[in-house]
Amino acid sequence: ILNVEQSPQSLHVQEGDSTNFTCSFPSSNFYALHWYRWETAKSPEALFVMTLNGDEKKKGRISATLNTKEGYSYLYIKGSQPEDSATYLCAVHKAAGNKLTFGGGTRVLVKP
Amino acid sequence: NAGVMQNPRHLVRRRGQEARLRCSPMKGHSHVYWYRQLPEEGLKFMVYLQKENIIDESGMPKERFSAEFPKEGPSILRIQQVVRGDSAAYFCASSRGSGDEQYFGPGTRLTVT
Repeated sequence: ILNVEQSPQSLHVQEGDSTNFTCSFPSSNFYALHWYRWETAKSPEALFVMTLNGDEKKKGRISATLNTKEGYSYLYIKGSQPEDSATYLCAVHKAAGNKLTFGGGTRVLVKP
Repeated sequence: NAGVMQNPRHLVRRRGQEARLRCSPMKGHSHVYWYRQLPEEGLKFMVYLQKENIIDESGMPKERFSAEFPKEGPSILRIQQVVRGDSAAYFCASSRGSGDEQYFGPGTRLTVT
């Protein structure tokens, strides 16, 4: 069983502040890690797919890093805005399979 | 290019009835995945299908649940004799190829009364 953990579960951020949160996963049999942004009543929106140790990806004010040797990824939001409020999910593929195993998500609330 | 489509968006069934959930993948995508979100829980994998084949159904309950992805038409997740515990949001995702990025549909919210 693949265990994907996200912390913290929830986060309150003041508008304009930067923040980051973690996704942890077993480092063995790793194939790829996905980050999704999920707003209430909408579908999860793909942010990044990361495969290589040391990968860094950036999309606007959101960026992510990956460490496959120690089994973690960080997602960073720079200068948070109210529209960044959402649940951020990470999900991992094992090498042999194609299903995504999701973490529980980090719920981010940006206060104006 | 339309995204992943799911219908219905909301479905209410009485205990013992059948529920049929439909998923049309993005154009050019031949891989479909079904995930379930139970109340207060995260997304859990159910089944992965490629056209006419079930590749991995390790997350799907052995009884009452079945899935198909025919050569023509949408993928169908079928739940027979629904029980209250089946109430959940069911999400479908599709990808172009194995291991590619998965794009999610808006989900079907099933309520069993």
